[in-house]
Parts: sequence; C-alpha cells; structure tokens
Amino acid sequence: NAGVTQTPKFRVLKTGQSMTLLCAQDMNHEYMYWYRQDPGMGLRLIHYSVGEGTTAKGEVPDGYNVSRLKKQNFLLGLESAAPSQTSVYFCASSYRRLAVEQYFGPGTRLTVT
Amino acid sequence: EDQVTQSPEALRLQEGESSSLNCSYTVSGLRGLFWYRQDPGKGPEFLFTLYSAGEEKEKERLKATLTKKESFLHITAPKPEDSATYLCAVQAKTGANNLFFGTGTRLTVIP
Repeated sequence: NAGVTQTPKFRVLKTGQSMTLLCAQDMNHEYMYWYRQDPGMGLRLIHYSVGEGTTAKGEVPDGYNVSRLKKQNFLLGLESAAPSQTSVYFCASSYRRLAVEQYFGPGTRLTVT
Repeated sequence: EDQVTQSPEALRLQEGESSSLNCSYTVSGLRGLFWYRQDPGKGPEFLFTLYSAGEEKEKERLKATLTKKESFLHITAPKPEDSATYLCAVQAKTGANNLFFGTGTRLTVIP
C-alpha cells in the first residue's frame, strides 16, 4: 500500500514555463487536495476535488489549474510559472471531507527562476 | 476569520525532559482539531484528531488535549527520534470546511 505518491520530487522551471504535478493515491479516497507550503506560513489549500471529474478552488487558486479524470489521480498544472510559485507542493487525500484526517504525499519541491 | 497560532516556534529539549506545545485557535465553531508530525523533506504525518473540549488522546510519548480556545501536545520523556516539526490544523463548522494550518513548532531533542 503506497498511500499517496507524488511525481516529480524536484523540479526547476524558468519563468513562463509550464508543468504538471501528478498525485496518485491507492486508498480509494473520494477527496483529494493540493497544498503549498512556504517558509513562515502554514500549509495553504490551492484546489481540491470531491470526486472524479469535480474540482473546486481553495484558499490560493490563482495561477494553478487542476484535473481529476480518474479517482486515484489528481493533477496540478502551472500554465505560466512565476517566481512566486516557488514552493513545496503537497498532495493529500481523505475518505470524507469533514472531520477526518488527510493523508499527505512526500511533496514536490519546485523552484521557479 | 479562522486563525491558528502555534507556540513556541522552536523548542530544544534534553532527552527525557518533558514539555508541551501550544496551539491557540479562533474558529466559528470547531469541527475538528488535527495534529500532524512533519519530518524534514517529508509530508505531514497524521497524529491525532480532537473534536470537543475536554477530549484527550495518547500515542506513545505524545498526549493531545483540547479546550475551547487551545490544544496542547504534551511530550513525555522525549527521545531524539521525536525531533520533528509538529503542525496543528483546525476545521470549522461553517464556511469552506477547509483545514487551516498553523506554522508549526520545530522540536529538537538532544541526546
């Protein structure tokens, strides 16, 4: 049981380039989330999904897009990367939206120069 | 507005020296308070969920407690392997139902 996995682990982009981060979970969870973690700030929710084919905006959605074509996968896209998007990105999943723990992946460290 | 404040930012303990980490919160009705452990370069790992004032949960050397305004994570006789950043998060009963995270307490346990 791998839990939540993320690819890639590290990435360096130039300003204006695009990329997609992949999250996969094997726990059959309905709910999936993308967070970013920056120094001195708590984890902040970017987008989330309540099921296959659905997505919703979180706290800091600007500059990001997401897709949930399969239940086990949640993709985070950056169409035109900016230095302000330099961060560590975490994917998480849960079996319910309310009052239950979320399980996190190992993270992707993204640097935009 | 939902707020979570964790203190101290960093804590150094000698092995065996017990202490507590604090998580103060302001939410419009608490649905749940979560504690996570995060090791350097890794994702947060779930520890506890607390739902109502007076509730307590324990796991090995860790004990989490909850009041109407704050939660404590008590560490009894810590070992070097307890060194990590401990994150607190809250979920409110109203609004977007998102988890709102504090900035964490970085704990170092010295042998």
